[in-house]
Amino acid sequence: GAVVSQHPSWVICKSGTSVKIECRSLDFQATTMFWYRQFPKQSLMLMATSNEGSKATYEQGVEKDKFLINHASLTLSTLTVTSAHPEDSSFYICSASPGQFNEKLFFGSGTQLSVL
Amino acid sequence: RKEVEQDPGPFNVPEGATVAFNCTYSNSASQSFFWYRQDCRKEPKLLMSVYSSGNEDGRFTAQLNRASQYISLLIRDSKLSDSATYLCVVTASWGKLQFGAGTQVVVTP
Repeated sequence: GAVVSQHPSWVICKSGTSVKIECRSLDFQATTMFWYRQFPKQSLMLMATSNEGSKATYEQGVEKDKFLINHASLTLSTLTVTSAHPEDSSFYICSASPGQFNEKLFFGSGTQLSVL
Repeated sequence: RKEVEQDPGPFNVPEGATVAFNCTYSNSASQSFFWYRQDCRKEPKLLMSVYSSGNEDGRFTAQLNRASQYISLLIRDSKLSDSATYLCVVTASWGKLQFGAGTQVVVTP
């Protein structure tokens, strides 16, 4: 099946630093990738839709200047958490679909971010 | 009201028993339905799609009830390895996915 690679798996950083997370589709091209955040015992919350070659579409309440998304190629999207604070600590996960619609998503393995 | 709601559980199930749980959705325009499985701090993995006529995949059976706007998942002959959180995923007509918070299943020896 389709494979989506995400790294790093774990990040521990000091408050105020920026953290970059990469999401790669290894065996298919993805014009669209999705970034989610998941707090313990809660559902995945869509943060933004990453579009290759254009600006990302952010969900309501998600600060675009805080969470910078770059989708420079058909196989790579990056999420940068700028000036991270403890409240940004969460499980971040990306997904992509090889199909025309975003059904049957394949997920990256997720990144656990802990901001001290 | 949440767009996709699930009983968080946990459902404690003896090994070999059957467990079933539902997921309700609020958007009547939803087009596609899925069950994903998520292990602790891991990525969700597609378990099965849910078709209008209901479908079965081994020990797993999924049903869709459009009139009452819910889908269900039944697990027969539960295995210890079935312990996980099961996420209900619903797509709206515009393709946006909505995730439920998940139902935790714990299969005990």
